[in-house]
Amino acid sequence: QTVVTQEPSLTVSPGGTVTLTCASSTGAVTSTYYANWFQQKPGQAPRALIYSTYNKHSWTPARFSGSLLGGKAALTLSGAQPEDEAEYYCLLYYGTVVFGGGTKLTVL
Amino acid sequence: QITLKESGPTLVKPTQTLTLTCTFSGFSLSSSGVGVGWIRQPPGKALEWLALIYWDDDKLYSPSLKSRLTITKDTSKNQVVLSMTNMDPVDTATYYCGHKAPYCSGASCYSYWGQGTLVTVSS
Repeated sequence: QTVVTQEPSLTVSPGGTVTLTCASSTGAVTSTYYANWFQQKPGQAPRALIYSTYNKHSWTPARFSGSLLGGKAALTLSGAQPEDEAEYYCLLYYGTVVFGGGTKLTVL
Repeated sequence: QITLKESGPTLVKPTQTLTLTCTFSGFSLSSSGVGVGWIRQPPGKALEWLALIYWDDDKLYSPSLKSRLTITKDTSKNQVVLSMTNMDPVDTATYYCGHKAPYCSGASCYSYWGQGTLVTVSS
């Protein structure tokens, strides 16, 4: 069974930059995996941030960006805000869909 | 404005079949490229993708749960129904439905989500 791995937790200072990654047990993540990123705050439904590796939804703040980095999908937050503290999930598409285990991002 | 809302029982007994309905507005499930999917999240745990139905009635299921899941749509009612058989306490989770946007490739893109409905499996 395919496993998608994310950092369990990361901390970033307000105004700082942090990169979250998303690795596949099958090998290098490429654009054909159509990586998605979602933000979830406690008690709320997930909110879509990035689709198809790089693309932002119309509501995605400019400080979030998606990329491929070292064989993984990546979400970079530049200029972290206190409201960015949340759980972040990636999703990879293999003909089926697998979510990562999530990264708890603390802004401190 | 796209909205989705999940409905169904909050409590089911082990071995029973769970039936959840996703009622949506703001888009048509007969439009090319559109889909509606189901995702669940056990308390304190990660998201798990379950199933997706496309505008053309094509369906995808999680390989690990495929034998227990059925997804159907009623385009005239703007509804998608997910059935899961043989429920077990480990299936206790918040179940979400999501809109798969037509501009996204694959079954991957859930641009809008419902608020979720918590289903508890207990005798």
